[in-house]
Amino acid sequence: KAGVTQTPRYLIKTRGQQVTLSCSPISGHRSVSWYQQTPGQGLQFLFEYFSETQRNKGNFPGRFSGRQFSNSRSEMNVSTLELGDSALYLCASSLGTVQETQYFGPGTRLLVL
Amino acid sequence: QKEVEQDPGPLSVPEGAIVSLNCTYSNSAFQYFMWYRQYSRKGPELLMYTYSSGNKEDGRFTAQVDKSSKYISLFIRDSQPSDSATYLCAMSGFGNKLVFGAGTILRVKS
Repeated sequence: KAGVTQTPRYLIKTRGQQVTLSCSPISGHRSVSWYQQTPGQGLQFLFEYFSETQRNKGNFPGRFSGRQFSNSRSEMNVSTLELGDSALYLCASSLGTVQETQYFGPGTRLLVL
Repeated sequence: QKEVEQDPGPLSVPEGAIVSLNCTYSNSAFQYFMWYRQYSRKGPELLMYTYSSGNKEDGRFTAQVDKSSKYISLFIRDSQPSDSATYLCAMSGFGNKLVFGAGTILRVKS
């Protein structure tokens, strides 16, 4: 079974721009969660989508948004990029029941200049 | 104070040593406890998953959870150079929002 895939793997943007990251979950998984990883703050939860609906949300500003499609693929968007948004963005998928093991993709490394 | 505390290390051990990694937490609602391993420039890989208190063993890895002390541990027996990575503890309550520790960098010297 193929794992979680994320595209693109690397991205360079400038301040003020916006960016869209994509995540394809493991086949059959209906929940997709997004996390931000930085050296200073570690891994922090952004949001979770299940059946095209946001089910959980972390403490990030409204510039961070996401969506999920009917095939469970998910996208994350960051608008008006700031230097501090430079990070590894990780997506994790799970079956979607109350508590299931989450499997992570390789991440998208975003650099904001 | 962070919800999950984890010593960032680095922890350096000789090959074959027993490694002990630990996390403490403050949120009594946490019921699910995980250990992930992350190699440089890769996504986290699930090693162990435990519900509530108790021990769980898988090959060279043993996870322990003590909810009364809000303390979890991961033991690695017969450590190998290939075990060199960052080890992240993670936990959650009712739902899929994982709260991670800062990660411990482990170096196993051959």
